[in-house]
Amino acid sequence: DTGVSQDPRHKITKRGQNVTFRCDPISEHNRLYWYRQTLGQGPEFLTYFQNEAQLEKSRLLSDRFSAERPKGSFSTLEIQRTEQGDSAMYLCASSLYMRTPSSGNTIYFGEGSWLTVV
Amino acid sequence: GQQLNQSPQSMFIQEGEDVSMNCTSSSIFNTWLWYKQDPGEGPVLLIALYKAGELTSNGRLTAQFGITRKDSFLNISASIPSDVGIYFCAGLTSGTYKYIFGTGTRLKVLA
Repeated sequence: DTGVSQDPRHKITKRGQNVTFRCDPISEHNRLYWYRQTLGQGPEFLTYFQNEAQLEKSRLLSDRFSAERPKGSFSTLEIQRTEQGDSAMYLCASSLYMRTPSSGNTIYFGEGSWLTVV
Repeated sequence: GQQLNQSPQSMFIQEGEDVSMNCTSSSIFNTWLWYKQDPGEGPVLLIALYKAGELTSNGRLTAQFGITRKDSFLNISASIPSDVGIYFCAGLTSGTYKYIFGTGTRLKVLA
């Protein structure tokens, strides 16, 4: 399977614990995105990388959240001191950005990582 | 965060019927994407639209990029039970990289 891969698929953690999610994008995709989705809502943008550079972080991403993409390939999203409000599905997506054609704007999602904070 | 208006929010239809849903925005977009999401899974890309007025099909699915660039439409013909799920639209403004997603249309197909 050459799609976007996320691990773990499900995580249950106690409040106050740290969790880390990993995303492996589609091979050679230079852009990587993290989105968060809560029940009944569409995905909301968290942060975005072009190669290894993190170019924007949403205001949704508090100081307890950190994302990295050290070699421009896989990415990790860490949540420190988890709170119950962090319970959500964390989605990773990737795209191959090119100035043209516009098809480089198309993003492909992974299966998501469900986080439950108890 | 900002979300696009999708209509209808949910719908129950009989197998074999055609389905129409739409997505509207106050902003102009240069790309529209349509996804289907099953429970507990990530969104799966159905159709991508890149030009105003563009009409694109993928099997029984047809989507259109509105000529005002502020809306998009998805039609499903001859629905089948496996069409059940949540359909999301996503729009991208020129010069940005953050897709804005719709609130979703929940489709239930009755056999």
